[in-house]
Amino acid sequence: DAKTTQPNSMESNEEEPVHLPCNHSTISGTDYIHWYRQLPSQGPEYVIHGLTSNVNNRMASLAIAEDRKSSTLILHRATLRDAAVYYCILRDRSSGGYNKLIFGAGTRLAVHP
Amino acid sequence: DADVTQTPRNRITKTGKRIMLECSQTKGHDRMYWYRQDPGLGLRLIYYSFDVKDINKGEISDGYSVSRQAQAKFSLSLESAIPNQTALYFCATSDFGGGSTDTQYFGPGTRLTVL
Repeated sequence: DAKTTQPNSMESNEEEPVHLPCNHSTISGTDYIHWYRQLPSQGPEYVIHGLTSNVNNRMASLAIAEDRKSSTLILHRATLRDAAVYYCILRDRSSGGYNKLIFGAGTRLAVHP
Repeated sequence: DADVTQTPRNRITKTGKRIMLECSQTKGHDRMYWYRQDPGLGLRLIYYSFDVKDINKGEISDGYSVSRQAQAKFSLSLESAIPNQTALYFCATSDFGGGSTDTQYFGPGTRLTVL
């Protein structure tokens, strides 16, 4: 399975944009890039996913490098509620339906008032 | 009401005891999963089930067993609990529609302490 590398921690101020990087230099052509986050004392929740093109949803944006070896999760205006551990995960779409999520340690985002 | 519920939310037990953690979902999903999370680490898959008659081992199944009683219910058992099974346990569900999303929805977790 291809691996991802994320910084252990990042900090941001409230209402400022946050760019969370993820490196995945061994990504294969069939890997989707997924992001989940885990708020304190909760289970993980889905944020966004993409394959090649940049993606936007109500929670965040995902910017994918042209060579797909890295990606960035963008929170446009951080709120205190966005303080969480963010996981960048590669999922093989050719896995025959085995919905494998491999969680690394993620990036712990702190948001300051 | 939460779509994925776990009981109990907290449990303290002693070494050698049998423990069952239960998960129920109202999302109508066929797929269910059990993960454990140790402090400062990501989640690791214990078992997963694609339907009532399909049970599969994950990466850390030793010392655990599961039962899929119905589409909505998936239980995790520790036959003889040991201290290194102290962890946070999460249940999750998904509905594989053949596409790329296949989002997993997680329960609130069960904190298990084995003394």
